[in-house]
Amino acid sequence: QVQLQESGPGLVKPSQTLSLTCSVSGDSFSSGVYFWTWLRQLPGKGLEWLGYVSSSGTTHYTPSLKSRLTLLLDTSNQQFSLKLTSVTAADTAIYYCARDGGRGSYFRFDPWGPGTLVTVSS
Amino acid sequence: DIQMTQSPSSLSASVGDRVTITCRASETIASYLHWYQQSPGKAPKLLIFGVSNLQSGVPSRFSGSGSGTDFALTISSLQPEDFVTYYCQQSYGSPPTFGQGTILEMK
Repeated sequence: QVQLQESGPGLVKPSQTLSLTCSVSGDSFSSGVYFWTWLRQLPGKGLEWLGYVSSSGTTHYTPSLKSRLTLLLDTSNQQFSLKLTSVTAADTAIYYCARDGGRGSYFRFDPWGPGTLVTVSS
Repeated sequence: DIQMTQSPSSLSASVGDRVTITCRASETIASYLHWYQQSPGKAPKLLIFGVSNLQSGVPSRFSGSGSGTDFALTISSLQPEDFVTYYCQQSYGSPPTFGQGTILEMK
């Protein structure tokens, strides 16, 4: 059974880079079927999809963040990562990693990591 | 982006009640509609995919319906653990987008 776990700093200063890692346990990481996704939930608000990285390293980002967002895959460690540059207070959110169903089930998210709160503040 | 609008934003009900939450897409999304359940302090959990398919382990009191632009999540007999927040999400277009959520509160 696949499990995901986010890790990274809980506090980032404005204008700096937010970096998070998602560790994946289970055998689906190497299957080549799934995409690996980041989402976030702004305080008291709804959910926003940020982007995915496929098992081959192909990426797809939400247009509003495309210029600031980079997703990378680390197959050897069964991890994928997020880097968001030039952060502002508006990037304060709970960040989730999740598995995307991939071929035939694009943009269907299951399971999710527990989430990590990132606050942007000086 | 495809806008997803849920109604109501909050709903007060009692254990044993039957409730329905609706979700409307700003354009047709065929059957690319999923529902998630989120408990306080937890990550969302996939409840129903492809309009009406229950994710493994989800109780049969949950059901989904609809097509095109209008969809619904029905809980046939509310249990105490069902009083949480529900989100719809479309996977027809990119970026995938979520409804604003419906908070189910105990009366």
